[in-house]
Amino acid sequence: RKEVEQDPGPFNVPEGATVAFNCTYSNSASQSFFWYRQDCRKEPKLLMSVYSSGNEDGRFTAQLNRASQYISLLIRDSKLSDSATYLCVVISSGGYNKLIFGAGTRLAVHP
Amino acid sequence: DVKVTQSSRYLVKRTGEKVFLECVQDMDHENMFWYRQDPGLGLRLIYFSYDVKMKEKGDIPEGYSVSREKKERFSLILESASTNQTSMYLCASSSPSGIFNEQYFGPGTRLTVT
Repeated sequence: RKEVEQDPGPFNVPEGATVAFNCTYSNSASQSFFWYRQDCRKEPKLLMSVYSSGNEDGRFTAQLNRASQYISLLIRDSKLSDSATYLCVVISSGGYNKLIFGAGTRLAVHP
Repeated sequence: DVKVTQSSRYLVKRTGEKVFLECVQDMDHENMFWYRQDPGLGLRLIYFSYDVKMKEKGDIPEGYSVSREKKERFSLILESASTNQTSMYLCASSSPSGIFNEQYFGPGTRLTVT
């Protein structure tokens, strides 16, 4: 079983739609959680961190459920520019704070 | 602005060749990483380094080695390239004191081994 699992999609949504991605992780001792965004043929970049209390950044909301070991990302009022692959990332409980990446969920926003 | 650069965007090599992938970062980061990214598998850690001349194996080190002689440079070496090493290779750097342990990635090198 993969340490971090995501639905690969693609999620095809119209502009203005609300879309949610989920991600599950297997190591209950995982410490920190993030969403990275990767545009087509580009490198991944940090989108936002995920806190137990939930956090919001504009149209993006991230939540963590430690009991069920899943992380979610909600995007409201989708824009064409949101089209990308969203990577769920977990910091393992081992040393050196290694990042464990999910395979990514692809989002395509259409007019 | 953090910048991570990689020596080549595209590379084509023959089976059995020795391949060097170079990565340079300009933010004085202690940590540097090499990943490969394959469809459906995501990013997988090959090697990482937390200091000059230090290296640690990641999850898939077989067939690879690394070198870190200077803080800003981290090289990935394929001693004898094989077709199953055809992949996108991404270098990243981070600071242990950085917020969120954010890793900054280079643009990637798409390596094809024929």
